[in-house]
Amino acid sequence: AQSVTQPDIHITVSEGASLELRCNYSYGATPYLFWYVQSPGQGLQLLLKYFSGDTLVQGIKGFEAEFKRSQSSFNLRKPSVHWSDAAEYFCAVDNQAGTALIFGKGTTLSVSS
Amino acid sequence: NAGVMQNPRHLVRRRGQEARLRCSPMKGHSHVYWYRQLPEEGLKFMVYLQKENIIDESGMPKERFSAEFPKEGPSILRIQQVVRGDSAAYFCASSPQDRQETQYFGPGTRLLVL
Repeated sequence: AQSVTQPDIHITVSEGASLELRCNYSYGATPYLFWYVQSPGQGLQLLLKYFSGDTLVQGIKGFEAEFKRSQSSFNLRKPSVHWSDAAEYFCAVDNQAGTALIFGKGTTLSVSS
Repeated sequence: NAGVMQNPRHLVRRRGQEARLRCSPMKGHSHVYWYRQLPEEGLKFMVYLQKENIIDESGMPKERFSAEFPKEGPSILRIQQVVRGDSAAYFCASSPQDRQETQYFGPGTRLLVL
């Protein structure tokens, strides 16, 4: 069965520092992969997605993610974090049937000044 | 172009009452998905609907929960005889017919059962 693991529950990064959030997936074929961000009390906003092609995907707000099939990973990166990036980040994969997304448990990002 | 709309944003119910959660998809979207988020957890899929049809309800609890997406009007997630364990955030997402894999989420309904 498909699954998503986000190993880091909580990460703190200094403002201006680089960021990498980890995501590992279990999937039988080439997955559709997503990163969403959720601010407190809000819904989820799509940051970026990978379907096929170039394994380095650019998203909104300066985020990017790299699909590495050999490592079953889809890590999210940002070169310079802003205080407004503090939020919860969810990695997700489709369920092969195309009827649902399977989410990881999320990583909470705190940004220190 | 308005996003996915959900109402109410907050809902308080006493044990045994019914909860009705509404979701209006984005304009032009014909697919609706419901997810539940428990505290400290990620989102868990509940049900996937197209107009007048339930396509996948593999994540729905077998009892007390139902969902519909009528030809006209919003999608409704109904929870009968609520219990404290139903307290959670319920999110609706929608996708266009030709890009089902990209789901856009609403702001959620926070249900609190007293």
